Amino acid sequence: AQSVTQLGSHVSVSEGALVLLRCNYSSSVPPYLFWYVQYPNQGLQLLLKYTTGATLVKGINGFEAEFKKSETSFHLTKPSAHMSDAAEYFCAVRVGSGNTPLVFGKGTRLSVIA
Amino acid sequence: GAVVSQHPSRVICKSGTSVKIECRSLDFQATTMFWYRQFPKQSLMLMATSNEGSKATYEQGVEKDKFLINHASLTLSTLTVTSAHPEDSSFYICSAILPSGPQETQYFGPGTRLLVL
Repeated sequence: AQSVTQLGSHVSVSEGALVLLRCNYSSSVPPYLFWYVQYPNQGLQLLLKYTTGATLVKGINGFEAEFKKSETSFHLTKPSAHMSDAAEYFCAVRVGSGNTPLVFGKGTRLSVIA
Repeated sequence: GAVVSQHPSRVICKSGTSVKIECRSLDFQATTMFWYRQFPKQSLMLMATSNEGSKATYEQGVEKDKFLINHASLTLSTLTVTSAHPEDSSFYICSAILPSGPQETQYFGPGTRLLVL
């Protein structure tokens, strides 16, 4: 069965600094990988996803993530943090067709300090 | 992009009562919807898979008689929490798959916050 590990339940960065949120997955077959963002009391918004092809994927709000099969990682980065980036971030994996559910990591809360 | 709505956005009820939460795909038909539950400061946990016209598939540990799921149409799935208790207080989120779109993408509703007193 697949699983997702997000290292660090809370990450704090200064405004303008690099954002790095770590995600490692476990899957016996090539997975589909996702990053979602959740603002307080709201649902999930898709930031980006990896399915096949280019391993560096770009998403919304300046975020990007790189799929590294050898490291079973899919870390999320953003060159320069903005105050509005403060939120909860979830990494998720799915194996199989679209009719299979997502398996989520425990989430990482990003705080941005002025 | 595809839009999924949930109603109500939040609900407060007394212990022992039942609460119905609706999940609608507004601009597409969804044969499959998922129901997740999120406790404070925790991740989303899959409760069940809702398939239009058939019985829902529940995850291990989720009581099907307590969490009734009905997917009566291609645009609506409902989750009814029966005889709710304070421990059922949580954030419930549904998602739907856009059949004609990328098969990898689920669209999430905004969630329903349930507080049982």
